[in-house]
Amino acid sequence: QVQLQESGPGLVRPSETLSLRCSVSGVSISLSSYYWVWIRQPPGKGLEWIGSIYYSGRTSYNPSLESRVTISMDTSNNQLSLNLASMTAADTAVYHCARVVDGYILIPFDHWGRGTLVTVSS
Amino acid sequence: EIVLTQSPGTLSLSPGERATLSCRASQSLPSNYLAWFQQRPGQAPRLLIYYASRRATGIPDRFSGSGSGTDFTLTITRLEPEDFVVYYCQQYDSSPWTFGQGTKLEI
Repeated sequence: QVQLQESGPGLVRPSETLSLRCSVSGVSISLSSYYWVWIRQPPGKGLEWIGSIYYSGRTSYNPSLESRVTISMDTSNNQLSLNLASMTAADTAVYHCARVVDGYILIPFDHWGRGTLVTVSS
Repeated sequence: EIVLTQSPGTLSLSPGERATLSCRASQSLPSNYLAWFQQRPGQAPRLLIYYASRRATGIPDRFSGSGSGTDFTLTITRLEPEDFVVYYCQQYDSSPWTFGQGTKLEI
């Protein structure tokens, strides 16, 4: 059974860097059949794709966040990481990790973590 | 960036009725990489439909997707009480991947 679980600080001060981790169980993040994404949702608002990381380690980011975001993977611990620099109140959101199936047809976000709420406040 | 516009913003129906939700893309999706998600309060979104019309694993056949190019539709027949939540469309045809603003289905 595939499970994803996000972890990290619930409160970040303005201008600081957010660091989140996503622990994946039930499947290896190194498999070429999948890649992994981070998505966020401000309270009461819609969803925003932050970026993706492929089994090879190659990344793709939303241009709106590209200057501040880094996604990486730790294959030995089967974990993903998200770093988002220069946090502001506009970055307050629930942050989710999710999986994409990379087969002959792409299947987006078939498994999600429950998400972790990050609040930016001094 | 492809903008997805969902309509209506809120749809008021009753259990047992049929719901038709629309998603229009600002540019054509040549690979028909359009997905629909259901989100219950306090939960992560749940994949319903991918590749415009394919049901995800475990999704009942009351949910169906259709459309191509720029116009896509999610249809829910025989509405159940648990269906009255928020639905999002999402395109993964072109980076950056984007979501619609959501349609709230209410009783």
